[in-house]
Amino acid sequence: GAVVSQHPSWVICKSGTSVKIECRSLDFQATTMFWYRQFPKQSLMLMATSNEGSKATYEQGVEKDKFLINHASLTLSTLTVTSAHPEDSSFYICSAANYNEQFFGPGTRLTVL
Amino acid sequence: AQSVTQLDSHVSVSEGTPVLLRCNYSSSYSPSLFWYVQHPNKGLQLLLKYTSAATLVKGINGFEAEFKKSETSFHLTKPSAHMSDAAEYFCVVSESSTNRDDKIIFGKGTRLHILP
Repeated sequence: GAVVSQHPSWVICKSGTSVKIECRSLDFQATTMFWYRQFPKQSLMLMATSNEGSKATYEQGVEKDKFLINHASLTLSTLTVTSAHPEDSSFYICSAANYNEQFFGPGTRLTVL
Repeated sequence: AQSVTQLDSHVSVSEGTPVLLRCNYSSSYSPSLFWYVQHPNKGLQLLLKYTSAATLVKGINGFEAEFKKSETSFHLTKPSAHMSDAAEYFCVVSESSTNRDDKIIFGKGTRLHILP
């Protein structure tokens, strides 16, 4: 079946540095991918919709200059957290659709020191 | 091991009739449970969540779900379906403990069809 992978699965970085998270659809092409973040015991929060070949659509309140999204190909979307701060520490999850079925990545745990 | 099972991949109901979307889970820790809805080409939208408070949880758009630990179930219900309820619904389990990373497990989704 279709699989969505994320890399890295966890990352620790210093405050002020940038971190890139990759989301790949391994055996299907996805024109649209979604990026979410989740705090412990909280619900998923949609951050942005990533569209292949065009600019991402950000949800209200999400800083597009801080969370850079690039959907360079039909199988890869990247989320870059720029100048990360401790409050950006969270669990980031992507998803991609194959026909009418949605597949979710395993998530990336980001810890900013 | 964690798992989430949505028992029906498709559910069809007539407009105005009750909706039942079933979800069973297994978890080694005290889980948080969520139901999300996804409309075509849109991201997930939270319907409701259970986080160890009241077992009957009321959500948006008239949906509610009951956490039944003895049955390891968290079924989603609505008394009267509307055409706008046609969408994909996901049951999600999230675990968090002090000695392990958070885990989040998605069900495979149930597509709800509303018949006029």
